[in-house]
Amino acid sequence: KAGVTQTPRYLIKTRGQQVTLSCSPISGHRSVSWYQQTPGQGLQFLFEYFSETQRNKGNFPGRFSGRQFSNSRSEMNVSTLELGDSALYLCASSLVASGGAIDTQYFGPGTRLTVL
Amino acid sequence: AQSVTQLDSHVSVSEGTPVLLRCNYSSSYSPSLFWYVQHPNKGLQLLLKYTSAATLVKGINGFEAEFKKSETSFHLTKPSAHMSDAAEYFCVVSANNQGGKLIFGQGTELSVKP
Repeated sequence: KAGVTQTPRYLIKTRGQQVTLSCSPISGHRSVSWYQQTPGQGLQFLFEYFSETQRNKGNFPGRFSGRQFSNSRSEMNVSTLELGDSALYLCASSLVASGGAIDTQYFGPGTRLTVL
Repeated sequence: AQSVTQLDSHVSVSEGTPVLLRCNYSSSYSPSLFWYVQHPNKGLQLLLKYTSAATLVKGINGFEAEFKKSETSFHLTKPSAHMSDAAEYFCVVSANNQGGKLIFGQGTELSVKP
């Protein structure tokens, strides 16, 4: 089975621009979570999507948003980019049990965003 | 609220010697705990997970971890380090019963000397 794929792998933007990152989950996985990784703050949870609905949300400003499509692919968008948004953005996918709980998250290679 | 604390930011061992990476957790319910590894410029790979079955969990590449509720610990061990084990290791707890939100420790960088 193919793993989690993220596109693009690298991105350079300037302050004030917006960016969209894409994540394709492992086939059959219906939950997608997003994380931001920076040297200072470590790995922080952004949000989780399941059945095209945001189910969990982290403590990030409204400039960070996401969505999930009917095929479980997910995108996240960051508007009005700031220098501090430079980070590795990781996506993870999971199977979902009948009760809605997920087991293990499998991570993609990440998108490295640099904001100049 | 759930949290994890990795007690060492950096651990250095010699090849062939044991590895111990320490993690304490805090959880208001029976937690799901994980160890993930990240090699340079790579994504995160699951090493092992604890989900209230056996307290001693075996993972990939010879790693194992023991869940100790009385000590609120989930330390990662390996009997004999290999050069390829050099990487950053993260102790992780699930934030809620749904499992969709993970809380990461700050990471422990493992160096392996020849």
